[in-house]
Amino acid sequence: GAVVSQHPSRVICKSGTSVKIECRSLDFQATTMFWYRQFPKKSLMLMATSNEGSKATYEQGVEKDKFLINHASLTLSTLTVTSAHPEDSSFYICSARGGRGGTEAFFGQGTRLTVV
Amino acid sequence: AQSVAQPEDQVNVAEGNPLTVKCTYSVSGNPYLFWYVQYPNRGLQFLLKYITGDNLVKGSYGFEAEFNKSQTSFHLKKPSALVSDSALYFCAVRDLPHFGNEKLTFGTGTRLTIIP
Repeated sequence: GAVVSQHPSRVICKSGTSVKIECRSLDFQATTMFWYRQFPKKSLMLMATSNEGSKATYEQGVEKDKFLINHASLTLSTLTVTSAHPEDSSFYICSARGGRGGTEAFFGQGTRLTVV
Repeated sequence: AQSVAQPEDQVNVAEGNPLTVKCTYSVSGNPYLFWYVQYPNRGLQFLLKYITGDNLVKGSYGFEAEFNKSQTSFHLKKPSALVSDSALYFCAVRDLPHFGNEKLTFGTGTRLTIIP
């Protein structure tokens, strides 16, 4: 299957700082990328959907000014957690799907964010 | 709105026995159905999908799933379980692409434990 690389895998940051997480599709062009948040022992919660070159579509209840998503190219999307607080600590996962006819999405390895 | 139910939080199976992880879904039209597996602190790995055609779908690592339209189910199965199959399994559904509604909706996950 296609490869999606997410970086970093783990990050610890101080409260009030910003953290950027990168998601790259290595061997295909990802027209659509998705960002999820996963709480312990819970399912994935979709945060936002981004299409290359356009603004991300955020799910209800997700603060767009806090979770900035950029999808500047067909192989890269970034999620920036701004002014992070301890309650933002979580496991963040990206996924990418290629082309309008693409069916399955491929997932990155996830990023464990801890805000202290 | 589309939804997925995984009625079992935990499934325990003895090594070598057949396993089943249950999934039922609800969509307004015809579904795309997926199974993903997640190992600790990792992203999701694609196992298999149903789009159209044969109701029995074969996927990675010896897994298969049967699409049952009348029962709106897509149970994951394997004839002989391995200890290495122990992981968290997610069922997901996506409505046929309407180019505006392409989100994956995940079930709550089922933790599969294979007992040696």
